[in-house]
Amino acid sequence: GENVEQHPSTLSVQEGDSAVIKCTYSDSASNYFPWYKQELGKRPQLIIDIRSNVGEKKDQRIAVTLNKTAKHFSLHITETQPEDSAVYFCAARAPGGYNKLIFGAGTRLAVHP
Amino acid sequence: DTGVSQNPRHKITKRGQNVTFRCDPISEHNRLYWYRQTLGQGPEFLTYFQNEAQLEKSRLLSDRFSAERPKGSFSTLEIQRTEQGDSAMYLCASSSGARPPYEQYFGPGTRLTVT
Repeated sequence: GENVEQHPSTLSVQEGDSAVIKCTYSDSASNYFPWYKQELGKRPQLIIDIRSNVGEKKDQRIAVTLNKTAKHFSLHITETQPEDSAVYFCAARAPGGYNKLIFGAGTRLAVHP
Repeated sequence: DTGVSQNPRHKITKRGQNVTFRCDPISEHNRLYWYRQTLGQGPEFLTYFQNEAQLEKSRLLSDRFSAERPKGSFSTLEIQRTEQGDSAMYLCASSSGARPPYEQYFGPGTRLTVT
């Protein structure tokens, strides 16, 4: 079945710097890749997603890139702010029709003022 | 709040007891998912409903776990004879089946502690 690996597990940046989180997936048939942000004690929130027919998608300070050949996708956050501090999860939708998501283990991002 | 809701938010139980959690999805969403999240890990898929039909169950869902969605609206997840290893956050998500990519929206979760 699908497997998603996420790196790094922790990331510390200064406010205003950029942050990049990388994920790899195993099943080349996966076709949808969402990213979730989870603040302490709160629900995972969908922040951006990308479908397999698109190479890049941007929404204000966040962007996601997808390399289908290498089976890599990445989250890019520019001009980081302290409120970006959270755990970020990547996921891949397993093929097969039922849309279950396979998640990475998460990246804890700390943005220092 | 028109998002996914879950009750209770916290549950402490003794080993061997049965527990039941409830999930109310976004009202127009016909797809409902249960996930389990342990500390420091991403959510792991447990089961999926489309309307009232349970269409997929993970190997993680042992015979002590049962889920229902009797009228295609809210869902319940029951754990019988709880074990300490069942301690986790149980998350529910819902999505619309109307149009891809069928984004999943999560509830706040039920944190289960088995003592």
